[in-house]
Amino acid sequence: NAGVTQTPKFRVLKTGQSMTLLCAQDMNHEYMYWYRQDPGMGLRLIHYSVGEGTTAKGEVPDGYNVSRLKKQNFLLGLESAAPSQTSVYFCASRESGTRADTQYFGPGTRLTVL
Amino acid sequence: KQEVTQIPAALSVPEGENLVLNCSFTDSAIYNLQWFRQDPGKGLTSLLLIQSSQREQTSGRLNASLDKSSGRSTLYIAASQPGDSATYLCAANLRGGSEKLVFGKGTKLTVNP
Repeated sequence: NAGVTQTPKFRVLKTGQSMTLLCAQDMNHEYMYWYRQDPGMGLRLIHYSVGEGTTAKGEVPDGYNVSRLKKQNFLLGLESAAPSQTSVYFCASRESGTRADTQYFGPGTRLTVL
Repeated sequence: KQEVTQIPAALSVPEGENLVLNCSFTDSAIYNLQWFRQDPGKGLTSLLLIQSSQREQTSGRLNASLDKSSGRSTLYIAASQPGDSATYLCAANLRGGSEKLVFGKGTKLTVNP
């Protein structure tokens, strides 16, 4: 099993450009999450999904959109990138809805917006 | 609003020492408390998960405790090794309708040979 994979690993954007981050998991997990990690801020939840076709807002959803068209994939989109979105983005997945299970994290995508 | 605090922010110890990392949270209405390890440039790896009804969990040289009444959790690492060097994060899983892990900012541990 590859676990949770993220594409791309690094990206540099100019202000106003758009891009999509892809998260894929091969563990048949129901729940998937997108976080951002900033120095001095810790990890913060952007959006999450409790199953195929569902999405919900987390703590810092503004400026981002997500889609979960297939169970194994969770996409994070930036429609018009801003320098404030420079961050490391982590995807995670979890098996069930009981919250008793841990989250499995991907290796991260380092995004710089100039 | 739930806040999770980790003290100290950084810790440097000689190899072989036993050590304790601290995590405090402001709202005791948690579902569970999790400890993660993060290596530089990498994602998070789950170490231990303690349910709200449990007092502690153990895995190898690691022992995590939970005291909901005082809003504290500790991660005890026995006989530390240079390979234990990493940033350790704790996260509180909140009760309630929204799905949310609230993370501390982490403790950066360096174990010197």
